[in-house]
Order: sequence, then structure tokens, then C-alpha cells
Amino acid sequence: NAGVMQNPRHLVRRRGQEARLRCSPMKGHSHVYWYRQLPEEGLKFMVYLQKENIIDESGMPKERFSAEFPKEGPSILRIQQVVRGDSAAYFCASSPLRQETEAFFGQGTRLTVV
Amino acid sequence: GQQVMQIPQYQHVQEGEDFTTYCNSSTTLSNIQWYKQRPGGHPVFLIQLVKSGEVKKQKRLTFQFGEAKKNSSLHITATQTTDVGTYFCAGLPYGGSQGNLIFGKGTKLSVKP
Repeated sequence: NAGVMQNPRHLVRRRGQEARLRCSPMKGHSHVYWYRQLPEEGLKFMVYLQKENIIDESGMPKERFSAEFPKEGPSILRIQQVVRGDSAAYFCASSPLRQETEAFFGQGTRLTVV
Repeated sequence: GQQVMQIPQYQHVQEGEDFTTYCNSSTTLSNIQWYKQRPGGHPVFLIQLVKSGEVKKQKRLTFQFGEAKKNSSLHITATQTTDVGTYFCAGLPYGGSQGNLIFGKGTKLSVKP
């Protein structure tokens, strides 16, 4: 059973470009969470999705950021018109159940905006 | 807003010494989880505590959840170089979705052989 798969592992974008981060949850997991981690910081919750539904996006910036988890295929975190401040590690996690279970994290995508 | 404070931010120990990190929440938590992140790696789940006053052990690691369910600690006995990494607590406030875990900033542990 493969773990949570994220790609790409490293992504370099120029200011103003779009960044697309992909996350395939573990087999059998239908709950996906995205977190952002700045250097030397903890993880900040961004969004929680189930298949085709956004459950909680209270941590998502109001502009430029969007997330989806389609019926088929991976979850996508999209950042439009990236700025230097978007440089961070973005981690995806998945779990089989909603309530009170551990989350399995992917290896993360390190986004660098130049 | 809801916060989870974690101290210390850094801890340097000699191999064989003990290590403790503390976590305090501004609100009562439904549960608290602990994760370890190696340098350059991703967070790996260690344990979850749910009950008030709960104590759980994993070999040299002891986890506690306070009576008021607002604080927690992780204690490592006789540290080894393999313990190096950043330890995060993550609390789930009552009423929050499971994804809305609030992470502490972590305690970065270095172990000198």
C-alpha cells in the first residue's frame, strides 16, 4: 500500500506564474488535508477536502489559492500569480475517517518562487 | 484565535540525557496528536491522546495529556542520535473538523553523541 504521494517534490516558479501541487492519498483514504510549512515553523492548516467537496477551507488565503479533490485523480492545490511569500513546503495528508484518527503525510512539495 | 504553544523551541542534549517538550493550548482539546519530523522530511505520526489525564508509553517515549485537556508533554528517556528531529504537537479543538488540527511550532531536538 503506497503512502501519500505528492508531486512534484520540488517546484520553482517565477513571480506571477501558477503553481500546481498534486496529492494522491493512500488507498482507501477519502479525506485529504493540505498544510503549509514555513522554514523553522509548524504546519498551518489550509484546507480539508473529501471527494468532490471542500469541507473546511478556513486556512486558505482568500485570493490566488484554490483546492480541489475530483472524483477521479489526485487532489490539486493551485496557487495563481505566485509571490515570493508563497515559498514554503506544502504537505498533504490523508486519513480514512474524519474523526480522531491519525493523518498520514506525504513527502511534501517544496515551492520556491524566484 | 486558537493557539497551541510549544516549548522549548530548541533543545540540545548529550546522548543519554532525557528530553521533554511541552504543549499548551488556549482552548480545551478533543484530542492531541504528536508528530516527529526529521530534517528535510515529512511529519510522521507518533501517537494520539484522547482522554483526560491519559499517559501512553512507546519504548523510551512517554506522552501525557493534562487533566484539563489543554496541555500535553512528550518525554524521551536516555536520548539517542536517532531521536534527532522536530517534535510537533497538534491539537484538535472541540467542534473542529479533524483536518483543522492546530500545530505547535515544534521543538527541534539535537543530540550530541
